[in-house]
Amino acid sequence: ETGVTQTPRHLVMGMTNKKSLKCEQHLGHNAMYWYKQSAKKPLELMFVYNFKEQTENNSVPSRFSPECPNSSHLFLHLHTLQPEDSALYLCASSPGLAMLSTDTQYFGPGTRLTVL
Amino acid sequence: DQQVKQNSPSLSVQEGRISILNCDYTNSMFDYFLWYKKYPAEGPTFLISISSIKDKNEDGRFTVFLNKSAKHLSLHIVPSQPGDSAVYFCAARGNTNAGKSTFGDGTTLTVKP
Repeated sequence: ETGVTQTPRHLVMGMTNKKSLKCEQHLGHNAMYWYKQSAKKPLELMFVYNFKEQTENNSVPSRFSPECPNSSHLFLHLHTLQPEDSALYLCASSPGLAMLSTDTQYFGPGTRLTVL
Repeated sequence: DQQVKQNSPSLSVQEGRISILNCDYTNSMFDYFLWYKKYPAEGPTFLISISSIKDKNEDGRFTVFLNKSAKHLSLHIVPSQPGDSAVYFCAARGNTNAGKSTFGDGTTLTVKP
């Protein structure tokens, strides 16, 4: 399989549940990202990882816990979420942190999360 | 304060005509701009980009124009095709933001056959 994959594609959970989102990239990239896209809002960057190390946490509530065991895998652990956390969660990767280069980000299809 | 804005949530054009999608930004530190295209049930895919040292970049039917003084960029698609119907996101970043692109809200383009 190529590109960036995300599982599950759809997830419905209660506020007391614990679940995890998984992202895998098959592109040999070193940087991975979690974004949140709420209805009628722009993509919001949540976390950035570079070579498995977290380089950015964009003031994300602690009920979202990322994990990056290696450069190819990225998880987002969810617990005690709120209904307003319902959104599309997108994973992305890039060759590097795309600071000075023209590296672009490659996105997965997203996980549509509904919190009841 | 939203730093990247796409003021038109939707645009409808006839097949064969030109589509013009607009994007405005406020942060003068942005020096690299990208357009992404998103189909339903898929993630955004990179379409075209432009560096701040240029004012135009062309790739086939897609051309991006950058007006730095106005902090405005636009994406031109000509001729438009029904397969171009999608949500288009404008994104911007500066070289001090490690991997951080700031996205606009998106514009939904519908190309009618």
